This record gives sequence, structure tokens and C-alpha cells, in this order.
Amino acid sequence: DTEVTQTPKHLVMGMTNKKSLKCEQHMGHRAMYWYKQKAKKPPELMFVYSYEKLSINESVPSRFSPECPNSSHLFLHLHTLQPEDSALYLCASSHTPGRRGEDEQYFGPGTRLTVT
Amino acid sequence: GQNIDQPTEMTATEGAIVQINCTYQTSGFNGLFWYQQHAGEAPTFLSYNVLDGLEEKGRFSSFLSRSKGYSYLLLKELQMKDSASYLCAAPFGSGYNKLIFGAGTRLAVHP
Repeated sequence: DTEVTQTPKHLVMGMTNKKSLKCEQHMGHRAMYWYKQKAKKPPELMFVYSYEKLSINESVPSRFSPECPNSSHLFLHLHTLQPEDSALYLCASSHTPGRRGEDEQYFGPGTRLTVT
Repeated sequence: GQNIDQPTEMTATEGAIVQINCTYQTSGFNGLFWYQQHAGEAPTFLSYNVLDGLEEKGRFSSFLSRSKGYSYLLLKELQMKDSASYLCAAPFGSGYNKLIFGAGTRLAVHP
């Protein structure tokens, strides 16, 4: 199994809603990531989990709250979002945190979020 | 700081060869990745270079010159399905988990 899965594929939410994005991998990877990607732009790193602990937070607003309950699952909890938060949210995983650079990241298909 | 530059758009003809360049200025270097991303899909890994030289993988090759801060992705025998964005990316930070992407090069392959 060399796949990262994400649910839902599409999400439309109002600014006052609370929702969660889910990511799952069963490759034994111990680093997991959330990225935000706007149209025609590259992915921008939001959070990194290494061995289920948050290791990088790229100054993301607190209305985005990540959670990594175990090595296979990653969540992004969303509340009181703004319309400008509409984007493709990508999850990724890689093998071993701390190993020099060469671990490629495997990306999920993303959740396309629209905030109305 | 880290800066990665690549052309915004390129066009090429089916069956031809195209070279997509990437230049980087970084405070440290831990290799360079190339990813392919079709519209509306996830990025997929193409190559990783950490030493100077050319690495070939089928129709795709990637080159690195660390002294020049330069890399390129070479696509041979272009096919229509190669129309996609090609992202140059470099890992940074403690544990090198922080992947910084260039803006991406949108390649359009025409018949």
C-alpha cells in the first residue's frame, strides 16, 4: 500500500462551521504534513508531525488545528474560517523524520475546501 | 533565506525534448526534488539529486550543479500526458522535513 488517502474530497463550509479533514497512510511513515495550495501556486507548508509530535507550525492561524492521534492518521480541524482559506489542502507523509533530506514525500489527492 | 526560481510556463511539441530549469539560493543544501502535478491532482515524486551530475529515469532525467545552484529536469519523447506543472523543491530545517517549493513550471505539450 503506497497510498495517502484524504477525506472528504470536497468540502463546502460556512464561516461559522466546524469541520475536520482526515488523512491516512499505512506505509509506516513517521512524518506527516499538511500543505495549503491555492490555484496556480505551489503547495505551502502548514504543519509537520514527526513521530506523532508537532515539530513545525509555519505560523498558521489558530483557526486551523492539527491532530496526529497515531502514526497512520492526521487530522486538520477547521473552525471560523475565512473565504480566503478556500484552497486545496494536501496531506503528505515521508519515511523517517530527521534523516538527511532524501525522503520523498507522498501526497494525498487533497481536499478542495470552499468557505462561503 | 531560501529562494527557488523556475520559469512560469513552457510549451513544447509532442515527441520533442524539453528542459525545465530551476535555480536556488539557500542557506544550506540538502538535495533537490522534482515533482509533477497534474491539474487538480496531488504532486508525485519524480527525482531527488544531492550530488552533482545527471540522473536518468526512463524518459525523465534530472541534473544538479551545486556550485552553480542550478538544476534542470529533462523530459524526452514528450507525450500529451506530460502536460502538467513541474515543481522544484528543496528540504530545509531541522530534520529536513520542511520542503520549500518553487512556483512551478506549467508545461503544455501540443500535438
